[in-house]
Amino acid sequence: QLHLQESGPGLVKPSETLSLTCIVSGASITSRDYYWGWIRQSPGKGLEWIGSIFYSGTTYYNPSFKTRLTISLDTSQNQVSLNLRSVTAADTAVYFCAREVPYSSDYYGGWFDPWGQGTLVTVSS
Amino acid sequence: DVQMTQSPDSLSASVGDRVTISCRASQNIDKLLSWFQQKPGKAPKFLIQGASNLQSGVPPRFSGSGSGTDFTLTITSLQPEDFASYFCQQSYSVPYTFGQGTKLEIK
Repeated sequence: QLHLQESGPGLVKPSETLSLTCIVSGASITSRDYYWGWIRQSPGKGLEWIGSIFYSGTTYYNPSFKTRLTISLDTSQNQVSLNLRSVTAADTAVYFCAREVPYSSDYYGGWFDPWGQGTLVTVSS
Repeated sequence: DVQMTQSPDSLSASVGDRVTISCRASQNIDKLLSWFQQKPGKAPKFLIQGASNLQSGVPPRFSGSGSGTDFTLTITSLQPEDFASYFCQQSYSVPYTFGQGTKLEIK
């Protein structure tokens, strides 16, 4: 059974880098059938898609984060990583990773299932 | 960005009721719409993709419809476990965007 678990520090200082890992068990992140995505949720902005990555390393990023975002794969550990640089208090949120199931192989677009339990990250000095 | 607007923001209903939640996209998204259920402190749970395709294991009292810009999630015969928040999400164009959510409460 597929299971995703986010891990990383719960507190990050302003201007530093938020680094999270999504530990995937029950499926290989090198599968050609799926993407792996990051979504966050905050009271102020609701649910926000951050970005997704394919087994090949191809990434799709939300332009709102693009200049400070890196999503990558660690195939040896079967993990997906998120690095968000130069964080501010506005980046305080619960961060989720999720498997993204594409509608078609002909174009990019999919739905998220399942999700990890989420991890709260607070940006504060 | 495609803006997703749900209505109502909150809804009170009783066990056994039929409820409808609407989701409107600011532009055509074909049928590339998903619905999720979320309970407090939990991750969203996927319910429906492609506007109307029910995920395996989701009770058939849940159904979705619509295409283009207007979509609906219907729950017939509400059960106690259905009281939660519901979100729609479009996958037609990047960035993916979510509705603001509809909170379904017990009357």
